[in-house]
Amino acid sequence: DIQMTQSPSSLSASVGDRVTITCQASQDISNYLNWYQQKPGKAPKLLIYDASNLETGVPSRFSGSGSGTHFTFTISSLQSEDIATYYCQQYDTPLYTFGQGTKLEIK
Amino acid sequence: QVQLVESGGGLVKPGGSLRLSCAASGFTFSDYYFSWIRQAPGKGLECLSYISSSGSTKYYADSVRGRITVSRDNAKNSLYLQMDSLRAEDTAVYYCVRESRDLVGANDYWGQGTLVTVSS
Repeated sequence: DIQMTQSPSSLSASVGDRVTITCQASQDISNYLNWYQQKPGKAPKLLIYDASNLETGVPSRFSGSGSGTHFTFTISSLQSEDIATYYCQQYDTPLYTFGQGTKLEIK
Repeated sequence: QVQLVESGGGLVKPGGSLRLSCAASGFTFSDYYFSWIRQAPGKGLECLSYISSSGSTKYYADSVRGRITVSRDNAKNSLYLQMDSLRAEDTAVYYCVRESRDLVGANDYWGQGTLVTVSS
């Protein structure tokens, strides 16, 4: 299975801050990467697909970049409603493995 | 509307078995690939198995291979996960998850999850 290493595991930031999460794949996965947001008690929600494409209805403050083995997820200006855990997921090769998650908190 | 409803979770002793079911509605079930994904309490997401639309292709995570079997019945719009030789570390919420046809590799609908607790 392809291993996905996500960092940091937790992050505390203030409203309005720029927040960045990274995800590293154990092998080249091209741009076959998704980013999900999971709020407590809820199922994950797709935010970014194909590493950099914004899912319909997702605010433009969310963005993604990268290809190959190194990927970045950014919130340009953190809002209080963005408090959640964020996961990357590769879909180059089944099983479509997840990173371990980044728990985002408000400072 | 799309609905995925899991059932079959519960309390089971170590070494025991459970069969989870996922009843799908609101779309053409036989057109879609599915995954079973679990989340242990306070932990991250772990993809356990993946099954093609016809059921002919299946994948399993190394952590559970040999102990779980995924299957589907397209006539009944249902997905199943047979879990055997359960361990304490299998305690988790188990989600039935649909893969989008428009966005290959993206999970577009999740069930509400069913809790499996393995404890003596």
